[in-house]
Amino acid sequence: DQQVKQNSPSLSVQEGRISILNCDYTNSMFDYFLWYKKYPAEGPTFLISISSIKDKNEDGRFTVFLNKSAKHLSLHIVPSQPGDSAVYFCAASDTGANSKLTFGKGITLSVRP
Amino acid sequence: DAGITQSPRYKITETGRQVTLMCHQTWSHSYMFWYRQDLGHGLRLIYYSAAADITDKGEVPDGYVVSRSKTENFPLTLESATRSQTSVYFCASKLTKGDYNEQFFGPGTRLTVL
Repeated sequence: DQQVKQNSPSLSVQEGRISILNCDYTNSMFDYFLWYKKYPAEGPTFLISISSIKDKNEDGRFTVFLNKSAKHLSLHIVPSQPGDSAVYFCAASDTGANSKLTFGKGITLSVRP
Repeated sequence: DAGITQSPRYKITETGRQVTLMCHQTWSHSYMFWYRQDLGHGLRLIYYSAAADITDKGEVPDGYVVSRSKTENFPLTLESATRSQTSVYFCASKLTKGDYNEQFFGPGTRLTVL
């Protein structure tokens, strides 16, 4: 039973355009969400996060939107760059000292020059 | 080296052999984690540790053993490797604070079980 779902396995966009990566979750106890980026042969690196008390968090070209009622979040990358080509994982957790992350399957983003 | 390191980076072994994957972090983070990444499954938690001598099972613990005698080290042992344990293994650590849940990942170990 997958609690964090990234239903699209891949996305291809043109350089300079917007990339929108989607993520859905089912566990109502999740209240903290993160996006990780992973290049081949490297470990995942933290990209951006959002708490459930917010509906938007922005960091440079990256913005994460959270719709709690729909249990849906999305990562927007504007403008997309070839260096953004990577696998993006959505992750969720509840808050608490022993909270753990639950990851989605990941989506492979390809940005075409 | 500062940060979180894993060794070896690549390992080939045979079915039935014991294999230990090492993880070392220099931040003195209380929490450490082991994940495996497989196509179609994303990252799945194997075991985690809240502090030295405190460990607990994650989503897929069967066939694995962990220990944490020192805060900075968190080795993962496959007692009798099986082909289904062929995967990429990531170690991670995080600060103690409960409401700040960012985990920092190592570079991974690619394990092949023949």
